[in-house]
Amino acid sequence: EIVMTQSPATLSVSPGERATLSCRASQSVSSNLAWYQQKPGQAPRLLIYGASTRATGIPARFSGSGSGTEFTLTISSLQSEDFAVYYCQQYNNWPPTFTFGPGTKVDIK
Amino acid sequence: EVQLVESGGGLVQPGRSLRLSCAASGFTFDDYAMHWVRQAPGKGLEWVSGISWNSGSIGYADSVKGRFTISRDNAKNSLYLQMNSLRAEDTALYYCAKGVGATTGWGQGTLVTVSS
Repeated sequence: EIVMTQSPATLSVSPGERATLSCRASQSVSSNLAWYQQKPGQAPRLLIYGASTRATGIPARFSGSGSGTEFTLTISSLQSEDFAVYYCQQYNNWPPTFTFGPGTKVDIK
Repeated sequence: EVQLVESGGGLVQPGRSLRLSCAASGFTFDDYAMHWVRQAPGKGLEWVSGISWNSGSIGYADSVKGRFTISRDNAKNSLYLQMNSLRAEDTALYYCAKGVGATTGWGQGTLVTVSS
């Protein structure tokens, strides 16, 4: 099973600042990596797929990069609505044995 | 608009069974792989199981392999999860989600509580 790790566990950022979140896979997942945002009481929302492609309707301030085992989600200028938990997920194989990272909570500094 | 509506959750004793359902609408159901993802109270997301569009390819997390069975009925636009030998650690909100890899649509979840 591919194990996903995320760092940091919590990131405290002021509105308008840049946030950089990291995700690492225990073995290569190529570019089969997605990022999700989850707010309290809500289902997750897809932000990025294919490591770097924004999902429909996602603002340009969200960007993803990386391939293989190292990935980054960058939020260029944090808005109030961006404070949430962010998860990475690998989907490298079929039959599926997809795995999520433990999440990074982005909160207000 | 994509709609995924889960049902079938509830309180169940350890060792018993439960069957979850997910009703899909707003998209061509048999064009998409489907998944179950769960979230224990206050915890992160855990992918549980996935099934290809034609049920020809199925996978499970190690934590549920041998106990849970995923299935779908494309004629009814429905996804199912048969959960047997339930354990306290299966307590979670269970989401239904669509997508071959990245999941592009999610339901609101159905809560399963395993307790005596």
